[in-house]
Amino acid sequence: SQKIEQNSEALNIQEGKTATLTCNYTNYSPAYLQWYRQDPGRGPVFLLLIRENEKEKRKERLKVTFDTTLKQSLFHITASQPADSATYLCALGGYQKVTFGIGTKLQVIP
Amino acid sequence: GAVVSQHPSWVICKSGTSVKIECRSLDFQATTMFWYRQFPKQSLMLMATSNEGSKATYEQGVEKDKFLINHASLTLSTLTVTSAHPEDSSFYICSARDRLGPTDTQYFGPGTRLTVL
Repeated sequence: SQKIEQNSEALNIQEGKTATLTCNYTNYSPAYLQWYRQDPGRGPVFLLLIRENEKEKRKERLKVTFDTTLKQSLFHITASQPADSATYLCALGGYQKVTFGIGTKLQVIP
Repeated sequence: GAVVSQHPSWVICKSGTSVKIECRSLDFQATTMFWYRQFPKQSLMLMATSNEGSKATYEQGVEKDKFLINHASLTLSTLTVTSAHPEDSSFYICSARDRLGPTDTQYFGPGTRLTVL
């Protein structure tokens, strides 16, 4: 069955450093992969989408890579700030449907 | 743009009662809306996909008679939890796909916290 793995343990990082979050998947060939931010008690907020034929996407301080051979995506936040503290969800998309990972909680320490 | 609202944001009800949650796309038309459920420290689980004017498609293991979905207009979908029980307590989140937008983009509502006593 399809499986999405994100490091469910919290990631603590010092302000100003680059945070790197990992999303691995198995038994899946997604057409695209998305990253969302979710704050406690709130719905997810879309951040970035990368398609299966793309290797890298950037948006301001965010960078996403997508390796379909390794079945892995890396999500980077450069110059991290305390306001970046949240849970980040990886989601794999196919026809009509999107499947979410459990998320990684990021804590940026001032 | 692309704002989705949910009402109510939280609700507490007694076991055995029914609860209706509304999902509205405020500034776009949504032919497709999705309903998710999220338990603490777990991922969002898709419950059903609803298309305007037709019956919802439920995911495996989701009881369609318990979770009634109506998508009567291009801007409104409702989820009714019938005869709610404590195990239905969860965070319910809807999302909507813009009729005129890319099919790989969905906009999420803020969620509704349901607590069944």
